[in-house]
Amino acid sequence: DIQMTQSPSSVSASVGDRVTITCRASQGISSWLAWYQQKPGKAPKLLIYGAYSLQRGVPSRFSGSGSGTDFTLTISSLQPEDFATYYCQQADSFPRTFGQGTKVEIK
Amino acid sequence: EVQLLESGGALVQPGGSLRLSCAASGFTFSSYAMSWVRQAPGKGLEWVSGIRSSGGNTYYADSVKGRFTISRDNSKNTLFLQMSSLRVEDTAIFYCAKDIDSSGYYPYYFDSWGQGTLVTVFS
Repeated sequence: DIQMTQSPSSVSASVGDRVTITCRASQGISSWLAWYQQKPGKAPKLLIYGAYSLQRGVPSRFSGSGSGTDFTLTISSLQPEDFATYYCQQADSFPRTFGQGTKVEIK
Repeated sequence: EVQLLESGGALVQPGGSLRLSCAASGFTFSSYAMSWVRQAPGKGLEWVSGIRSSGGNTYYADSVKGRFTISRDNSKNTLFLQMSSLRVEDTAIFYCAKDIDSSGYYPYYFDSWGQGTLVTVFS
């Protein structure tokens, strides 16, 4: 199985900050990567797919980059509604696997 | 508007069985691959199983292979997860998730999710 490792596990940031979350795959997955946002008590929400394609309706302050084994989710200017947990997920092979999550907290 | 409504979650003893359902509406269900994703209390997301749009091919996480069976009824727009030999570690919220790709070939990325149904396995 492909292991997905996110860093950091948590980050404290202020409104307006630029936040970067990294996801590393245990083997190459080309661009078969998605990012999700999850708020407490809610279902996850798809933000980015194909490593860099923005899902419809997602604000442009979210962006994704990377290919192969190393990927990044960037929030260019953190907004109050962005405080949540973020997960990466590989779609290169079965079983699909998620990273362990990165919690973005208020500083 | 896409809607996914899970049901069937319950309290069950280890070794027991349970069948989850997910009623879909707002899209052409028969065109999309579907998946089940679970989340143990306070933990991260775990993909459990996926199925092609036709129902002809199914995929499973190692942790549930041989115990869980995914299926679908395209005439009733419903996804199922039959769970047997349940373990304490299967305790989780189970989400039904629709794939983003209308080819229906593989489950890739999950663009719509239900609200989840809670399965609790207790001894």
